Amino acid sequence: DAGVIQSPRHEVTEMGQEVTLRCKPISGHNSLFWYRQTMMRGLELLIYFNNNVPIDDSGMPEDRFSAKMPNASFSTLKIQPSEPRDSAVYFCASSLARWDTQYFGPGTRLTVL
Amino acid sequence: AQSVAQPEDQVNVAEGNPLTVKCTYSVSGNPYLFWYVQYPNRGLQFLLKYITGDNLVKGSYGFEAEFNKSQTSFHLKKPSALVSDSALYFCAVRGFRQAGTALIFGKGTTLSVSS
Repeated sequence: DAGVIQSPRHEVTEMGQEVTLRCKPISGHNSLFWYRQTMMRGLELLIYFNNNVPIDDSGMPEDRFSAKMPNASFSTLKIQPSEPRDSAVYFCASSLARWDTQYFGPGTRLTVL
Repeated sequence: AQSVAQPEDQVNVAEGNPLTVKCTYSVSGNPYLFWYVQYPNRGLQFLLKYITGDNLVKGSYGFEAEFNKSQTSFHLKKPSALVSDSALYFCAVRGFRQAGTALIFGKGTTLSVSS
């Protein structure tokens, strides 16, 4: 199994630009999670999906952030417009059930200049 | 309120010595508990979990964790530390968020093993 796949691994962009992060969960997993990790705030859950449906987006910082899961094998996290304070490592994780073991992707390191 | 706490930001231990990384939790109902490890520039990796059964859970890389219901703790342990164990360790518990259950992660503990 290839595990959770994220792309790109690194993204450098300028303030105001749109950023799209992509995730392919492990085949057969029903739940998908997006996290953000920074030194200051640690690991934060942004949103999670169950069977492609957004269940809890209370962690999404503001309207500039949006996430979609059009099918069981693909999800995106979009930031529009991006700001320097969005710089962080963004992780995607998937699991068989929303409360069960989560398997993390390698992360996308986002730098907004 | 449900939560998980890792009281130590950093744990330092010499190679070959036993190590303990502490975790306490607060959650209603039976707790589901997890430990993850994160190496530099990598995603979190699952180490072990407790759902039910034996209070001593064995996991990957020689790690184990002891569930203590009366103390609401789930400390991670290893009898003999290796330099390669140096990493960031996260404890997590199944909790109830606004719209359903999900894992709640602690803030992490940095383990530093010196040679």
